[in-house]
Amino acid sequence: NAGVTQTPKFRILKIGQSMTLQCTQDMNHNYMYWYRQDPGMGLKLIYYSVGAGITDKGEVPNGYNVSRSTTEDFPLRLELAAPSQTSVYFCASSSHTGGSNTEAFFGQGTRLTVV
Amino acid sequence: AQSVAQPEDQVNVAEGNPLTVKCTYSVSGNPYLFWYVQYPNRGLQFLLKYITGDNLVKGSYGFEAEFNKSQTSFHLKKPSALVSDSALYFCASNTGGFKTIFGAGTRLFVKA
Repeated sequence: NAGVTQTPKFRILKIGQSMTLQCTQDMNHNYMYWYRQDPGMGLKLIYYSVGAGITDKGEVPNGYNVSRSTTEDFPLRLELAAPSQTSVYFCASSSHTGGSNTEAFFGQGTRLTVV
Repeated sequence: AQSVAQPEDQVNVAEGNPLTVKCTYSVSGNPYLFWYVQYPNRGLQFLLKYITGDNLVKGSYGFEAEFNKSQTSFHLKKPSALVSDSALYFCASNTGGFKTIFGAGTRLFVKA
């Protein structure tokens, strides 16, 4: 059981480039999330999804886009990379019976540097 | 505004001593409270949660947390620390919906 898998683990982008961070989960969870983690700032929610075809903005969505065509996959797209997007990105999922009181399962993270 | 505070950036304890990692929350309504642990170069792992009922919650790896409504706190505790407990700990809260609020994290260092 792989849980939540993110790729790539590391990436260096030049300003203005674009990329997609991949996330897939094999637990049949309806809810999926993208967070960014900055030093001393905790985690900030970028986007979330409550099921295939349904996505919504979190606290810090600017500069990002998401899609959810299947239950398993929730890719995060950066269209025009900026230095402010240098961060560690985490994908997470939680079960359909949950919501507020259900813990999340996290991927190992993607460390992104924009230069 | 709703928030979760972890007042200590770092906690240092000696192996075998009890440890406490502090968390206070400011949310409207009844909070659901969580503790997660993050080891180097890994994602967050769930430790325990408080939903309702007993104020003392037991979780993974011998950790427990005490919910105190009057003090709006949810401190993480362990009776006897291990070197392997050294990691980054996050407190989190959710009062409904899908927007979990995380604290800034507390780095626990356990010295042998």
